[in-house]
Amino acid sequence: QKEVEQNSGPLSVPEGAIASLNCTYSDRVSQSFFWYRQYSGKSPELIMSIYSNGDKEDGRFTAQLNKASQYVSLLIRDSQPSDSATYLCAVEGGSEKLVFGKGTKLTVNP
Amino acid sequence: DAGITQSPRHKVTETGTPVTLRCHQTENHRYMYWYRQDPGHGLRLIHYSYGVKDTDKGEVSDGYSVSRSKTEDFLLTLESATSSQTSVYFCAISFSGGDTGELFFGEGSRLTVL
Repeated sequence: QKEVEQNSGPLSVPEGAIASLNCTYSDRVSQSFFWYRQYSGKSPELIMSIYSNGDKEDGRFTAQLNKASQYVSLLIRDSQPSDSATYLCAVEGGSEKLVFGKGTKLTVNP
Repeated sequence: DAGITQSPRHKVTETGTPVTLRCHQTENHRYMYWYRQDPGHGLRLIHYSYGVKDTDKGEVSDGYSVSRSKTEDFLLTLESATSSQTSVYFCAISFSGGDTGELFFGEGSRLTVL
């Protein structure tokens, strides 16, 4: 079964810093990669999708994919207290449906 | 915004009782999903549907059944609830309408089985 691993955290960064969230996956045939943000007590919301090796930027968020290393990351520049949430990595491809990691809790300190 | 409504939002029940959770969408999307979320396990797929009366099992389907008689409604049933089914249940649809990982989630249904 496909595995998606994330550091559970908590990851704590000061306001204005870069937060780096990492994810590894086990299935080499995985094709699609996603980052979801989940505030406490709320439902997950999609913030980034990435399908090709390299970087994809959207505002303060950058997703990075390295299929050879089976590694995907999310960088959050100029972190804000409102970025404090749990970030879920999700991977799709091969014979299995979308598989989520357990999430990394991020705290941005003012 | 995609429209998903889950009901009930909160439910407390006793072991052995049947429970049905409802997911209603207003987007006319083909694919709908039920997930559960538990501390230490993350989000896990229970069942999904790819059309009216077309459903399939996910990773943790034991003890659950689903039905989809209309495009807009996807029901999750626990025939005889157990304490291990205490969880937060999320319904989801894909933004594109197809079977992709770009999902929009409902607000969740918190189920407690005593």
